[in-house]
Amino acid sequence: EAGVAQSPRYKIIEKRQSVAFWCNPISGHATLYWYQQILGQGPKLLIQFQNNGVVDDSQLPKDRFSAERLKGVDSTLKIQPAKLEDSAVYLCASTNQYQFLSGANVLTFGAGSRLTVL
Amino acid sequence: KQEVTQIPAALSVPEGENLVLNCSFTDSAIYNLQWFRQDPGKGLTSLLLIQSSQREQTSGRLNASLDKSSGRSTLYIAASQPGDSATYLCAVSGANNLFFGTGTRLTVIP
Repeated sequence: EAGVAQSPRYKIIEKRQSVAFWCNPISGHATLYWYQQILGQGPKLLIQFQNNGVVDDSQLPKDRFSAERLKGVDSTLKIQPAKLEDSAVYLCASTNQYQFLSGANVLTFGAGSRLTVL
Repeated sequence: KQEVTQIPAALSVPEGENLVLNCSFTDSAIYNLQWFRQDPGKGLTSLLLIQSSQREQTSGRLNASLDKSSGRSTLYIAASQPGDSATYLCAVSGANNLFFGTGTRLTVIP
């Protein structure tokens, strides 16, 4: 099966500019996650979708970050305006309904989008 | 709030050595624990998953153990190879989320 697709792989912007990342999960995976991984740290959950509804966005900085999954398939994560501390790799992951409901949380990760804010 | 710690932060070993990576977590109410591998510029690859009712899992040269009551897990790598060089992350599973440690960067020297 095809993996989780993310684009762009790399993005360099100046502070106060905006950026958007796209994720296409594995076909049939209802649950989609966006994680932020700052250099030297473990990934931190930003937002979790179940189909097109938000399950958890408690750690999403909503003054500058937004995410949507309008049709319950692919998703976009936007940052506007970007700050220096937003430099990180943004990882998208997905899992299927059974794994989600069973609490197994066996996630498949994409390769990530590396953001550098200058 | 769940806190996950990994020690050491970095490890360098000669090829062929056996090694142990450590992971500790503060809240023992977990569904499972996973070990991931992350290569530079790549996403995360799941290596082993231990359900909360299990004590260990094995895959090839990898063996992961879980002691939920003490909040500890170890990843044992036997006969290390240069291809094992990567960052290893452990993650514990809550109801809806994974809590990650900061990782151990492993370098296996030929």
